Amino acid sequence: AQSVSQHNHHVILSEAASLELGCNYSYGGTVNLFWYVQYPGQHLQLLLKYFSGDPLVKGIKGFEAEFIKSKFSFNLRKPSVQWSDTAEYFCAVNARSGGGADGLTFGKGTHLIIQP
Amino acid sequence: KAGVTQTPRYLIKTRGQQVTLSCSPISGHRSVSWYQQTPGQGLQFLFEYFSETQRNKGNFPGRFSGRQFSNSRSEMNVSTLELGDSALYLCASSRGTSGQETQYFGPGTRLLVL
Repeated sequence: AQSVSQHNHHVILSEAASLELGCNYSYGGTVNLFWYVQYPGQHLQLLLKYFSGDPLVKGIKGFEAEFIKSKFSFNLRKPSVQWSDTAEYFCAVNARSGGGADGLTFGKGTHLIIQP
Repeated sequence: KAGVTQTPRYLIKTRGQQVTLSCSPISGHRSVSWYQQTPGQGLQFLFEYFSETQRNKGNFPGRFSGRQFSNSRSEMNVSTLELGDSALYLCASSRGTSGQETQYFGPGTRLLVL
């Protein structure tokens, strides 16, 4: 079974600071990788995803993530955060197993607070 | 296009009762997955339905069950409720099976068991 580890449970940054949230997964097969965000009072929204191809993927609101297969990592980055980025961020993995259906395995989440 | 909708949004039940939650996927989506979100365990996969068939199931007891109708709408049922079943239950839909497609989440049903 796959598992996902997010390194930081709480992160506090000032506006304009750079952000990197760590995510590592354990699974030997082919995976789809996702970052979801949950803004206060709102439901989970897709930030970005990686299925195949260029390992550097760009998402909404200036976020990007890099898939490093050798490190089983999919870290989320943003060069300059804004107060509106305050939210809970979840890394998720979906094992692609011969076309069968596998649910998303989520990390515990990182609570990001941006101070104005 | 309307997003994933879930009803009811909030629910209070007592131990031993049963509950049914409903999910309507995005139009054209044939797969519906259910997740449980709690502060202690985080987001955990319950099961997935595609074309009215359960495709995969997470590590939850048999008290948790579901079904999907021909219009892709899905229901989740929890019987003999326990205090630990208090959680936010999320539904997600995708065009194809979740192993191949992006899932889009609904707002959730918050269940409180007293």
